[in-house]
Amino acid sequence: DIQLTQSPSFLSASVGDSVTIACRASQGISNYLAWYQQKPGKAPKLLIYAASTLHSGVPSRFSGRGSGTEFTLTISSLQPEDLATYYCQQVNTYSTFGGGTKVEIK
Amino acid sequence: QVQLQESGPGLVKPSGTLSLTCAVSGDSISSSYWWNWVRQPPGKGLEWIGEMYHSGSTNYNPSLKSRVSISVDKSKNQFSLKVTSVTAADTAVYFCARGDYDTSGHYFLDCWGQGTLVTVSS
Repeated sequence: DIQLTQSPSFLSASVGDSVTIACRASQGISNYLAWYQQKPGKAPKLLIYAASTLHSGVPSRFSGRGSGTEFTLTISSLQPEDLATYYCQQVNTYSTFGGGTKVEIK
Repeated sequence: QVQLQESGPGLVKPSGTLSLTCAVSGDSISSSYWWNWVRQPPGKGLEWIGEMYHSGSTNYNPSLKSRVSISVDKSKNQFSLKVTSVTAADTAVYFCARGDYDTSGHYFLDCWGQGTLVTVSS
């Protein structure tokens, strides 16, 4: 099974800050990785797929990078509505989600 | 615009069978998508359960494969999940979601139901 490890598990930042979340795969998955945003009490929403392709309608302050085993999600200018938990998902072999990163606004 | 809606009992007894349905509106379940189930225990992360194509092809999480089955009802434009021999560890919010591929073969879940809480308890 392919495991995904996200870091940090929690981060607190101010409005306007740039924040980066990391996702490490236990084996190479090329760029078969997606990122989701889940707000409290809601279903996850797709942000990015193929490691770096922004899903339709997602603000351009979100960006993704990486390939192989190391991936990152960056929010370039944090907004109050970005309060959420973010998950990476590998889709190279079946599917696995990372443990999540909870983003708090200071 | 496609919408997914989960339904089913909110309480299941230990050792029983959990059964949920996901109704699809705004699109045909026979379209070229995969139909997924994902769950989330209270306060925890997401776990992929499995997926089905309208042809009947399925893929399951290896850790759940022995207890899980996903089926499709084309006449009702819905798909279903069954989990047998449930325990308290199966208590979770269960989401259904649509899976799609881009032109380069990258997969993603682009549309989700709101989720339904299932509690396993006597």
